[in-house]
Amino acid sequence: DTAVSQTPKYLVTQMGNDKSIKCEQNLGHDTMYWYKQDSKKFLKIMFSYNNKELIINETVPNRFSPKSPDKAHLNLHINSLELGDSAVYFCASSQQGQGLEKLFFGSGTQLSVL
Amino acid sequence: RKEVEQDPGPFNVPEGATVAFNCTYSNSASQSFFWYRQDCRKEPKLLMSVYSSGNEDGRFTAQLNRASQYISLLIRDSKLSDSATYLCVVIGNTGGFKTIFGAGTRLFVKA
Repeated sequence: DTAVSQTPKYLVTQMGNDKSIKCEQNLGHDTMYWYKQDSKKFLKIMFSYNNKELIINETVPNRFSPKSPDKAHLNLHINSLELGDSAVYFCASSQQGQGLEKLFFGSGTQLSVL
Repeated sequence: RKEVEQDPGPFNVPEGATVAFNCTYSNSASQSFFWYRQDCRKEPKLLMSVYSSGNEDGRFTAQLNRASQYISLLIRDSKLSDSATYLCVVIGNTGGFKTIFGAGTRLFVKA
């Protein structure tokens, strides 16, 4: 069973479109994240949710809107896609607190904006 | 200064070699430290945690030096399968837990 699963694996779309990436974790973790890994391979946190509540929003454009219907799901919706949004987006989860912040990642979504 | 810095490499080593990576961090309040491994076009996976006393897992040894604010990873008897990017991860607790990834060090192990 996949612990953190995200779909789709590949997403190719035109500039200006709106797209969503879904993420689910079956680890029972309280916290979920979205990370972006650009062409230079930097992994940067975008959002963090703890029990469905937003706790980190790292200077991400308003075009990006995360939604967490329950603590096992964290979806990412992107409006008006731009060329610079092309990257690999990783969902992750962890159990917060007391040094248990090991992250478990999904396999990534390669987004290509044309 | 970046919050977490690593030598990007690449490190090219023969099988059986010993190789070491260092990582420095700027926030002295950082609390937790990890090494992750990322294979090409794959997700990062936890390799090992890093403790002040140092810890070993088979051929891998991690060390933390709080005074100098760096962590290290030593790989002994390198295998071809060790070829990957090694990411240093630092977690600080300044108004909430914040996980910072280094840009990674690329390792190529050759036969």
